[in-house]
Amino acid sequence: NAGVTQTPKFRVLKTGQSMTLLCAQDMNHEYMYWYRQDPGMGLRLIHYSVGEGTTAKGEVPDGYNVSRLKKQNFLLGLESAAPSQTSVYFCASSTWTGGLGSNEQFFGPGTRLTVL
Amino acid sequence: GQNIDQPTEMTATEGAIVQINCTYQTSGFNGLFWYQQHAGEAPTFLSYNVLDGLEEKGRFSSFLSRSKGYSYLLLKELQMKDSASYLCAVEGQGGYQKVTFGTGTKLQVIP
Repeated sequence: NAGVTQTPKFRVLKTGQSMTLLCAQDMNHEYMYWYRQDPGMGLRLIHYSVGEGTTAKGEVPDGYNVSRLKKQNFLLGLESAAPSQTSVYFCASSTWTGGLGSNEQFFGPGTRLTVL
Repeated sequence: GQNIDQPTEMTATEGAIVQINCTYQTSGFNGLFWYQQHAGEAPTFLSYNVLDGLEEKGRFSSFLSRSKGYSYLLLKELQMKDSASYLCAVEGQGGYQKVTFGTGTKLQVIP
C-alpha cells in the first residue's frame, strides 16, 4: 500500500496563477483533510471531507476550494494564488473505528508551494 | 474552540529522559494525540489517550489528565534520531474527527 500520496511535491507560482493539488489514499478511509503548515503556526485545517461528494470548511478556508468526487481522492484548488498562500500543504486521511481505538490521521509527504 | 500550549523548543542529552508537556483548553474533548514530525517530513502518529493515566509504548509513554487539561509525552533512552518536532493534538467532539494541533515542540538531542 502506498498510503497517502500527494502531487506535486514542489511548485512555484506567480501571484494570480491557479493550481490544483492532488491527494490520493489507498486505505479506503472515509475522512480526508487538507492542512497548511507555517512556521510558528502549526498545522491548520483548510477543508475536510467526511465522505465522497461532501466537503466542509476548516479553520482557514479562504482562497481555497476542494472537491471529493471519488472516495480515494481529495483535490485542493487555488484559483488565484497569493504570496500569503506560500506554505507546506499536507493531506491526511483517517477512518472511524467506532470508538474501539485511535482514529489517527495518516499524512501524505507534503507539497511545498511558493507564491511569488 | 481549542487552545493548545506546548513549549517551543527543548534540548536533551542522548540516553537521557525528556518530558514534553501539553496543556489544553477545549469546548469539547474526545482524546489527545501525539505526533512526531522530522524536519521536512510528514507527521507520524505516536500515541492516543482517551482516559486518564499513562499509556506506554516502548521508549515512548503518554499521560493524560482530563480534569487538568494536561498531557505529557515521555521519551526514554533518547537517541539522536529522536530529534524532531512533537505535536500535541486535541480531538474535539462533533460528528467527525476534528483535530486541532498545537504548534509543536522542537526537540534537539545532543551527544
